[in-house]
Amino acid sequence: EVQLQQSGAELVKPGASVKLSCTASGFNIKDTYMHWVKQRPEQGLEWIGRIDPANGNTKYDPKFQGKATITADTSSNTAYLQLSSLTSEDTAVYYCARKGDVEAWFAYWGQGTLVTVSA
Amino acid sequence: QIVLSQSPAILSASPGEKVTMTCRASSSVSYMHWYQQKPGSSPKPWIYATSNLASGVPARFSGSGSGTSYSLTISRVEAEDAATYYCQQWSSNPLTFGAGTKLELK
Repeated sequence: EVQLQQSGAELVKPGASVKLSCTASGFNIKDTYMHWVKQRPEQGLEWIGRIDPANGNTKYDPKFQGKATITADTSSNTAYLQLSSLTSEDTAVYYCARKGDVEAWFAYWGQGTLVTVSA
Repeated sequence: QIVLSQSPAILSASPGEKVTMTCRASSSVSYMHWYQQKPGSSPKPWIYATSNLASGVPARFSGSGSGTSYSLTISRVEAEDAATYYCQQWSSNPLTFGAGTKLELK
């Protein structure tokens, strides 16, 4: 069974950085791309970017360039999202997701990690 | 980037009613995908490649469309369908979502 287990909620100060994790089970992350999606409180979904864990290649939505860094550790089957220079605009739930085995859509989602930026 | 515009933003319906929500793309896309989200939960995969229901999705749901215009229809709304529905395109980067249609039950 495919599962994506995300790290716990974070309370961070403005200007700081945070690194979120997404540990996969039921499949090898090297066999697919791992994506991250942002959802601000009471707002819609925004695609941040994705990584190909097989070679480390990444692609981002331009609006997240410089804000988000996606990495992966194939030895632990885990993808990471690092967010830097945090502001209140970064307060959100962050989801990891992967596409389906056949169709290119977000067939599997993690439970989400709430990041709260507050002094 | 391809902008997806969903309408209406809020849809109010009575149980048993037929409802349709739409998603319009700023450029033509090959397929549209839909997700259902309830408060406090992750989005659930709902309809993929325009018209294919994900596993476990009731048959009262259907999807259709092509090019720049897509829709999700519920033939007879039930209380459990109250949620926000998001459309999403995978035709070009960056991947984008619509702003969502919130379905409320009267």
